[in-house]
Order: sequence, then structure tokens, then C-alpha cells
Amino acid sequence: DAGVIQSPRHEVTEMGQEVTLRCKPISGHNSLFWYRQTMMRGLELLIYFNNNVPIDDSGMPEDRFSAKMPNASFSTLKIQPSEPRDSAVYFCATSGGNTGELFFGEGSRLTVL
Amino acid sequence: GENVEQHPSTLSVQEGDSAVIKCTYSDSASNYFPWYKQELGKGPQLIIDIRSNVGEKKDQRIAVTLNKTAKHFSLHITETQPEDSAVYFCAASLNNNDMRFGAGTRLTVKP
Repeated sequence: DAGVIQSPRHEVTEMGQEVTLRCKPISGHNSLFWYRQTMMRGLELLIYFNNNVPIDDSGMPEDRFSAKMPNASFSTLKIQPSEPRDSAVYFCATSGGNTGELFFGEGSRLTVL
Repeated sequence: GENVEQHPSTLSVQEGDSAVIKCTYSDSASNYFPWYKQELGKGPQLIIDIRSNVGEKKDQRIAVTLNKTAKHFSLHITETQPEDSAVYFCAASLNNNDMRFGAGTRLTVKP
């Protein structure tokens, strides 16, 4: 398996633009997590899904952020409109079975100018 | 919700020395405590984990200890090597859901 695949790896955009980050989980993993990493706040859990259903989105910072998981092999995190303070590395992670291990993608580095 | 605190934020050791990183958690219901290593430009990777029914676990040069009463757990790396240099994160969760991470420790191993 190729692991968790995220795209794009890097994105630079201007304030006010819409940003869509994508994640392809490991096949068979039924839990998917979106994290944001910054120097100031570390790794923050934004939202997680079990079997494609959002379970806890209390970490989503504002209504500008939304996440979807239309099927077991794809998830998106959307920011609309984007702001400079959204600049961070966004990680998607998945887990399956009962081990609890999270498998992280390589992240999407977002810069909002 | 769970709150995880991690210390120190940076740690520098000589090659061959030991390194210890400590974490505390707030939710006594948490029962799963993993440690992740993050290398530059990559996502975190699990290196060792421990569950609340175990006090200590070892895997070669890495060991983790858990004190449920005090709600703290520690990572011990012995005989450190330059390739151990990375950022290490502790985490805590209940039943593998809602994983909360510490702020991270940047470990530098000097050759």
C-alpha cells in the first residue's frame, strides 16, 4: 500500500481564495483524521470521521473550514475564504483495526499571503 | 477534553547518552499513549505505544513508562544516535479515538 496520500504537497494562495486539500486513506482504514500543525499550536485535531461519518468537528476553528468524506477512499478539507493565519501544514491520518496507530500522510503545506 | 503537556520543548544530548521526554495528561479515562517521531518534511510516525494496563514497555533502545496514578508517561531513548534527531510527540486518547498530542520535543543528538 502506498500509505496515506495527500495533495497538494504545497500550496501558496492569496487571502480570500478557496483552498481544497485532499486525502486518500489507506485502503481498509475506517477512521480518518485531519490535523493542523503550526509552531505556535503544535498538532491540533480538526475533525475525525469513522466509517465516513464525522464524529467530532469541535476542533474546526471557524465556519470557513469544512471537511467531507463522501466515500471510504477520499476526504477533503476546504477553507473558504482563506486567511494568512490559516498558513500551516495540514495532515491527514488514518487508522484501522484496534491497534490505535495513526498513519500520517506527508502533509500539505499551505501558505496564505 | 484531554490536555497533554510535554517537556522539554528542546533537548540536546551527546551521541551515546540517554534522552528522556516527559508528558502529563488530564483525562484519567485515557487509556492509550503512543509516541510519534517526526522527521523534517514528513508526517509523524509511531515508534512505540503503551496501554493503561501496562506500566512499562521496551523495544530495543526505546522504552516508555506509564504512571496512571500521577497521569504521566515518559519516553526513554538509550545509546542515542544522530539519526534519532527529530521531533518527538506524545499523545493520549480514549479507545483510540480523539488523539490529542503534546507540543513536541525537538531532540538533537550531537555526534
